[in-house]
Amino acid sequence: GAVVSQHPSWVICKSGTSVKIECRSLDFQATTMFWYRQFPKQSLMLMATSNEGSKATYEQGVEKDKFLINHASLTLSTLTVTSAHPEDSSFYICSAEVAGASTDTQYFGPGTRLTVL
Amino acid sequence: GENVEQHPSTLSVQEGDSAVIKCTYSDSASNYFPWYKQELGKGPQLIIDIRSNVGEKKDQRIAVTLNKTAKHFSLHITETQPEDSAVYFCAARLIGGSYIPTFGRGTSLIVHP
Repeated sequence: GAVVSQHPSWVICKSGTSVKIECRSLDFQATTMFWYRQFPKQSLMLMATSNEGSKATYEQGVEKDKFLINHASLTLSTLTVTSAHPEDSSFYICSAEVAGASTDTQYFGPGTRLTVL
Repeated sequence: GENVEQHPSTLSVQEGDSAVIKCTYSDSASNYFPWYKQELGKGPQLIIDIRSNVGEKKDQRIAVTLNKTAKHFSLHITETQPEDSAVYFCAARLIGGSYIPTFGRGTSLIVHP
């Protein structure tokens, strides 16, 4: 149980285009989803926390107009990288939280490799 | 906010040896400590977790210990195998609280056959 999927697993796009990444909790409802960015050989950098039906909370330094997050349902959150540039190339990982009185366990998706040419 | 320190950054062992990764945290309110394994090109996978009301938890070859007084917790892997090679992350958070989990910087474990 507690499977999180991401789509696509990798994407290559031209500079200036927008890219949408989907994150789905397959067998549970996730009231909270997190979006992370990871550079090679580095830790996970939290970008934003997304709660179903409300606006995402962005971490300091993360441009909310550039990284649009939509958490439209309890099983789906999307991250759209708008007007992508080469410096946006990275590994993007989402996670979903199984909320409960004694759990709050976080499960991660397999990640999406974004390459901007 | 919470601050998690993880050591070592790289750990190289021979197959069959034990490996220990240590983490310290700063906020005494944290009460949930998960460990994740990340293989190259994949997302982190939860391998074991421990809550503050428990001092030790074991699952086959992996175990986690927690010392709340000292605010540190450790991951122990016994009888290491080449497939254990990966990056391991520790994290600390407050269950049910408003603050988000804080991750360590990761430990690259290399198990030589």
